[in-house]
Amino acid sequence: NAGVTQTPKFQVLKTGQSMTLQCAQDMNHEYMSWYRQDPGMGLRLIHYSVGAGITDQGEVPNGYNVSRSTTEDFPLRLLSAAPSQTSVYFCASSYSMLGTENTGELFFGEGSRLTVL
Amino acid sequence: AQTVTQSQPEMSVQEAETVTLSCTYDTSESDYYLFWYKQPPSRQMILVIRQEAYKQQNATENRFSVNFQKAAKSFSLKISDSQLGDAAMYFCAYRRGRTSYDKVIFGPGTSLSVIP
Repeated sequence: NAGVTQTPKFQVLKTGQSMTLQCAQDMNHEYMSWYRQDPGMGLRLIHYSVGAGITDQGEVPNGYNVSRSTTEDFPLRLLSAAPSQTSVYFCASSYSMLGTENTGELFFGEGSRLTVL
Repeated sequence: AQTVTQSQPEMSVQEAETVTLSCTYDTSESDYYLFWYKQPPSRQMILVIRQEAYKQQNATENRFSVNFQKAAKSFSLKISDSQLGDAAMYFCAYRRGRTSYDKVIFGPGTSLSVIP
């Protein structure tokens, strides 16, 4: 039972480089999201999606792009990395609609530590 | 916009004692969910407890319980009989919704230390 899988777990980039953080879930969750975690600031929402083809901005979307072509995958793209994007990134998913076994709980990946030099 | 505040950046507790972590939130909604998540040094995010706003009864999960004050928009977490394994970052989170779920907003976190 894989749950939410994020890759890579660690990445070092130079300023201006681009990269994609991959996120995949096998729980048939409609909702997927990306957070960044910085000391003293908790988890801040970057982008989220309530289903394939639907995405929306969170609290800190600048510098990041997302797309949702399938239910399973929700990649996060950094088009031109900046040192301010050094952080730990988490992908999280959940059901979108209430159901008998749905609790609204987010299921998290293990996180990806990104360093931009 | 909804916001979640945790006013205690750091807390400590003696092993076997009780500690309470504070959380306040701001919303104009009447239907929502509140969560406490635990993040140990492994970085894994673990759900501790969940509260539905339309339920007046406070949620409990073994040694963990909440004090949910809807009018005051307060949602504190009480950990009883603290154990060394409780040492972690604790995040309070808010999610709007009754028939469907919206985005989840987190507070800045409280770092809990457990003293042997």
